[in-house]
Amino acid sequence: GAGVSQSPSNKVTEKGKDVELRCDPISGHTALYWYRQSLGQGLEFLIYFQGNSAPDKSGLPSDRFSAERTGGSVSTLTIQRTQQEDSAVYLCASSPGVGENQPQHFGDGTRLSIL
Amino acid sequence: DQQVKQNSPSLSVQEGRISILNCDYTNSMFDYFLWYKKYPAEGPTFLISISSIKDKNEDGRFTVFLNKSAKHLSLHIVPSQPGDSAVYFCAAPGNNRKLIWGLGTSLAVNP
Repeated sequence: GAGVSQSPSNKVTEKGKDVELRCDPISGHTALYWYRQSLGQGLEFLIYFQGNSAPDKSGLPSDRFSAERTGGSVSTLTIQRTQQEDSAVYLCASSPGVGENQPQHFGDGTRLSIL
Repeated sequence: DQQVKQNSPSLSVQEGRISILNCDYTNSMFDYFLWYKKYPAEGPTFLISISSIKDKNEDGRFTVFLNKSAKHLSLHIVPSQPGDSAVYFCAAPGNNRKLIWGLGTSLAVNP
């Protein structure tokens, strides 16, 4: 489809394992964002990529979290040594640029459950 | 410190009536605001935005009003339909346009 695609849609893993979450943004969108929504919480910004600029990693909660964006397109969010508090829905969004007339378009998220 | 606040976690209205969803903010530097709608197990979907230089923006059944002096905005849906039942989020762009979100208001439109 033409929307933002995230995989897997659900992931259950044991505490201490590493996980990788994937995001395929809308073709041509230069801006890509990762957010997460924990139970009962609002959406929390994690990281932002814009073209070839250095990413804004200011929202990453710990050094166990990292993300990359290869070729200006697909992005992978990696969580190492997962903890139970990492359980959340991880949402990816992309936009053609920044500004009011270029709203972010979201994927359906990856629901991550840490046992 | 929550910069974007939605103080009503839920709202219930009758089909055909008006739904009014409220949002307050603290940062007077936000230059626009957005409303997103979210169904269960789906990502948020952009609904409507408003520039800080405007006081109203309308798109079909959806109208957003901005009161800068009160740092308040509201989303009006009229007439409300059962398919409008969803969680509505108010958001504003922070640094690098990363969105700062309210906690959402769950709207239930009853037939």
